[in-house]
Amino acid sequence: QQQVKQSPQSLIVQKGGISIINCAYENTAFDYFPWYQQFPGKGPALLIAIRPDVSEKKEGRFTISFNKSAKQFSLHIMDSQPGDSATYFCAASTETGTASKLTFGTGTRLQVTL
Amino acid sequence: DAGITQSPRHKVTETGTPVTLRCHQTENHRYMYWYRQDPGHGLRLIHYSYGVKDTDKGEVSDGYSVSRSKTEDFLLTLESATSSQTSVYFCAISPQGALGGYTFGSGTRLTVV
Repeated sequence: QQQVKQSPQSLIVQKGGISIINCAYENTAFDYFPWYQQFPGKGPALLIAIRPDVSEKKEGRFTISFNKSAKQFSLHIMDSQPGDSATYFCAASTETGTASKLTFGTGTRLQVTL
Repeated sequence: DAGITQSPRHKVTETGTPVTLRCHQTENHRYMYWYRQDPGHGLRLIHYSYGVKDTDKGEVSDGYSVSRSKTEDFLLTLESATSSQTSVYFCAISPQGALGGYTFGSGTRLTVV
């Protein structure tokens, strides 16, 4: 059972365009939603994260939009650049303390073309 | 990646043989995790640790065991490797669990033939 559903599986965007990746979840106890970025041959790295008490968080060209009632959140990459070409993972977490761990989506491979 | 090292980086092994992957950290972080990455499945949690000798299962733990006898080392063992365990394995560390942000290693590509 996929607890965090991510779409699309792959995405091609022209340089300067907006990249949008969507995630949906079922577990209403999730209370932390990060995005990770992974370049080929490397491990994922934390990009940006949001808590459900806010509807949007922006860091530079990257924005998370969060819709608690729909149980959905999305990553927007403004002015997409070729250097943004990577695989992006959404994730969610509910537990704190010793059981704290992330559940990841299936990933989106983004290609930004010139 | 700084502060976390996985070994080996690549390994080819035969079906039925035991395999141990090592994750070593120099950050003194409490939490350590083992994930596997497969196309179409993303990152799936195998086992994790929240302290020395304190471990718990993830969603895909069957066929795997772990040990953490020191803060800095987290070992993942495939007791009897199968072809379905061919994957890229990532170790991650965190000072505060999920909320602390994970730092991932560079991964181990394991092929079981």
